[in-house]
Amino acid sequence: DSGVTQTPKHLITATGQRVTLRCSPRSGDLSVYWYQQSLDQGLQFLIQYYNGEERAKGNILERFSAQQFPDLHSELNLSSLELGDSALYFCASSPTLAGGRETQYFGPGTRLLVL
Amino acid sequence: QQQVKQSPQSLIVQKGGISIINCAYENTAFDYFPWYQQFPGKGPALLIAIRPDVSEKKEGRFTISFNKSAKQFSLHIMDSQPGDSATYFCAAGSGATNKLIFGTGTLLAVQP
Repeated sequence: DSGVTQTPKHLITATGQRVTLRCSPRSGDLSVYWYQQSLDQGLQFLIQYYNGEERAKGNILERFSAQQFPDLHSELNLSSLELGDSALYFCASSPTLAGGRETQYFGPGTRLLVL
Repeated sequence: QQQVKQSPQSLIVQKGGISIINCAYENTAFDYFPWYQQFPGKGPALLIAIRPDVSEKKEGRFTISFNKSAKQFSLHIMDSQPGDSATYFCAAGSGATNKLIFGTGTLLAVQP
């Protein structure tokens, strides 16, 4: 158990809808990262938040947004969903800002299916 | 330049054999190279990591070999066991980017 929690575990929704994925980092970790994992794209970095502020951005679509709250939990909002958004979404956390140089601890993921 | 290329895509090894997975990168600014292991239904977990000041790091049956001049690194799993069957991801990162760039993954199956 990494100490990172994600809810919900599974999510089934329809095209055009909006969903929110939630992540609680390990106790003491200040950085949260969101990744999308699909069969053909592997593990793609979406965005990083550190202590409430956005610090790094990857291949995140404009329809997607995230935020980190004062208690350090984070939410990833996906809107105007398309079939191609079906994937596993992982949250990871690390102690500091330096996610490119330290262990990232991954949650169990949320499996999103868009019908 | 931000890509990390990983091969093979899948690998079948007999129990007791050696599993070898290779990765290559372009960005010379990368200075942290971890390997993550992912079992079905679980999130990736750090297996072993290396920094470019050493050419090899060993932890139990797992060894990372690093070739800075060739910009390549590899994971060797000695005495492979059925319990090692998982997907393995290499990654690269640096302090300048705050993020890890992951390879596309290798699905390893160790046959008993």
